[in-house]
Amino acid sequence: QKEVEQNSGPLSVPEGAIASLNCTYSDRGSQSFFWYRQYSGKSPELIMFIYSNGDKEDGRFTAQLNKASQYVSLLIRDSQPSDSATYLCASWAGSARQLTFGSGTQLTVLP
Amino acid sequence: DGGITQSPKYLFRKEGQNVTLSCEQNLNHDAMYWYRQDPGQGLRLIYYSQIVNDFQKGDIAEGYSVSREKKESFPLTVTSAQKNPTAFYLCASSPLGGPQHFGDGTRLSIL
Repeated sequence: QKEVEQNSGPLSVPEGAIASLNCTYSDRGSQSFFWYRQYSGKSPELIMFIYSNGDKEDGRFTAQLNKASQYVSLLIRDSQPSDSATYLCASWAGSARQLTFGSGTQLTVLP
Repeated sequence: DGGITQSPKYLFRKEGQNVTLSCEQNLNHDAMYWYRQDPGQGLRLIYYSQIVNDFQKGDIAEGYSVSREKKESFPLTVTSAQKNPTAFYLCASSPLGGPQHFGDGTRLSIL
C-alpha cells in the first residue's frame, strides 16, 4: 500500500525559530506534493505544493523535495503562535486518482 | 467568489435514519472527494469522483453512498448501515492531479 509518513509530534518551537516538518513517501511514482495546514476544528487549507526537486519558497514557507530520498519537508521561518496547527503532507502519483495523505504533524509555537 | 460550500455545518442523526450532506463547488473542478476525520486522526477517503455520473469507493465506503449528477455537486448520504457516523466530514474538489481545496466541513453527531 502506498503510504505517506509524518511524525505525529507534537513539535514545539519557540516564537521566531524555524519549524521543520518532514514527510516521507513510499510510491516512487509520486509526482506532486502538497502541504496543508489545519487549525483545530477547521478544514485543511492548502499552503504550498511542489513538483520538482529542490526548494520552493513562498513568504515564510519553504517546501523542499528530494525524490531520490523520497523526502519532502516544510520549513516555516520566523514561526509565530498563529502557525500552531496540524500540518498535513499529501502526494499524488500519476497513476493514482486521488491524493495520499499523511496523518499530520501537530506544531505548537510557544510565545 | 469561487469556492466549495458544504451544508449543513452541524447535523444530527437519529438511529435508523439516513442523512445527506451537501457539497457544491463553483471552481469548475472535475474531481470531487469526501473524507471523514475523527478527533485527533488524519483524513480517510470515503468516495471520490473524477467525472459526472462516475464515482469510486475510497478506503471506508461501507455505510455511505454518493451521486454525481452534476459537475458542481457531490452529495454524500450517511446510511443507517454506518454504525459509528459521528465525525467531521470534509468535501474537497480539484482539477485532475492538482491540489485539493476543502469546504468548511459538516459535523455529524448521533442523537
